[in-house]
Amino acid sequence: QQQVKQSPQSLIVQKGGISIINCAYENTAFDYFPWYQQFPGKGPALLIAIRPDVSEKKEGRFTISFNKSAKQFSLHIMDSQPGDSATYFCAPGTNQAGTALIFGKGTTLSVSS
Amino acid sequence: NAGVTQTPKFRILKIGQSMTLQCTQDMNHNYMYWYRQDPGMGLKLIYYSVGAGITDKGEVPNGYNVSRSTTEDFPLRLELAAPSQTSVYFCASRSTGWEKLFFGSGTQLSVL
Repeated sequence: QQQVKQSPQSLIVQKGGISIINCAYENTAFDYFPWYQQFPGKGPALLIAIRPDVSEKKEGRFTISFNKSAKQFSLHIMDSQPGDSATYFCAPGTNQAGTALIFGKGTTLSVSS
Repeated sequence: NAGVTQTPKFRILKIGQSMTLQCTQDMNHNYMYWYRQDPGMGLKLIYYSVGAGITDKGEVPNGYNVSRSTTEDFPLRLELAAPSQTSVYFCASRSTGWEKLFFGSGTQLSVL
């Protein structure tokens, strides 16, 4: 059972363009919706996260949009830069003892200069 | 402040050999996790722990064992290595609230 579906699998964007990555989930108990960024040879690192009481959160060039009824959330990268080239994972979870984040399969973003 | 430290960084095993992947964190986090990452497959949870002496299976526990004798350490044991265990292994930790997961730099394991 695939609880988290992430799309697209890969993405090529021109420098200065907008990158959009989507995540669909099944578990309505999820109450925490983060995106992680991973560079080659490194562990993932938290990029931005949102709670279900808001529909959007912006941090610099990165924005999360959350649609609770559709059970989807997305990552928008504005003014994409070559340094944004990395793999991005959505990883929703619940704030319950003994639980773990469920990672999507990842989206490889390449920003061409 | 070192964060999450994993050793070794690289290892090649022969089929049937055993080894322990070490993970230690210095942030006094209660929750610790082991994930494996295969190309195009994201991260899959192997085992996790909510505190010293308490561990539980994740999505793909077969072929692995863990222990948590202290808050700081969470080693992962491979008893009889198989080619299917070739992967990159990440240890992670967090505190009790929904704060971010801190990941180690990973161990790249090849079983030949």
